Amino acid sequence: RKEVEQDPGPFNVPEGATVAFNCTYSNSASQSFFWYRQDCRKEPKLLMSVYSSGNEDGRFTAQLNRASQYISLLIRDSKLSDSATYLCVVNKGANDMRFGAGTRLTVKP
Amino acid sequence: DAMVIQNPRYQVTQFGKPVTLSCSQTLNHNVMYWYQQKSSQAPKLLFHYYDKDFNNEADTPDNFQSRRPNTSFCFLDIRSPGLGDAAMYLCATSRGGEGETQYFGPGTRLLVL
Repeated sequence: RKEVEQDPGPFNVPEGATVAFNCTYSNSASQSFFWYRQDCRKEPKLLMSVYSSGNEDGRFTAQLNRASQYISLLIRDSKLSDSATYLCVVNKGANDMRFGAGTRLTVKP
Repeated sequence: DAMVIQNPRYQVTQFGKPVTLSCSQTLNHNVMYWYQQKSSQAPKLLFHYYDKDFNNEADTPDNFQSRRPNTSFCFLDIRSPGLGDAAMYLCATSRGGEGETQYFGPGTRLLVL
């Protein structure tokens, strides 16, 4: 089993749609969780950290379910500029982060 | 202002010819990482430094080496590049510790001829 698994995608959605991505992780001892965004041929950039209580940043909502070892990212009112690959990141150790392969999102007019 | 800088952005080398990629940071972060990312795949951690402490991933080939002469700089040396080493190489930094964000450089895209 991979350490971090994501919906393979791609997700093709119209502008204004709501879209959700899922991610599962194998290490029950993991404590830190993130969503990163990566544009084509660019470096990953932090989108948001994921906290136990769930957190929201504008149109983006992240949730964590420790019992199921599951993380989600919800994007509401999708914009064309949201088109990117979304990477789920989970720590293995204090300074050891493991990336999922990413879910590709394309938002169309 | 650039915080994690990678040079060069594009590197072409020949099969078997040693190549060095460089990374520098202005964040004064304790940890520096090197990742390899191939098309449509997850970034794969090669190794990281916590200060001067080197941490190698078990499955990182011996062909890949790293040096961190000071806090600001970290180098990735590929001793004998093969065609399979063509990839994007990403450098990242963090303060270190649980929950700390990683900041990535723009990457160096390596082509092996």
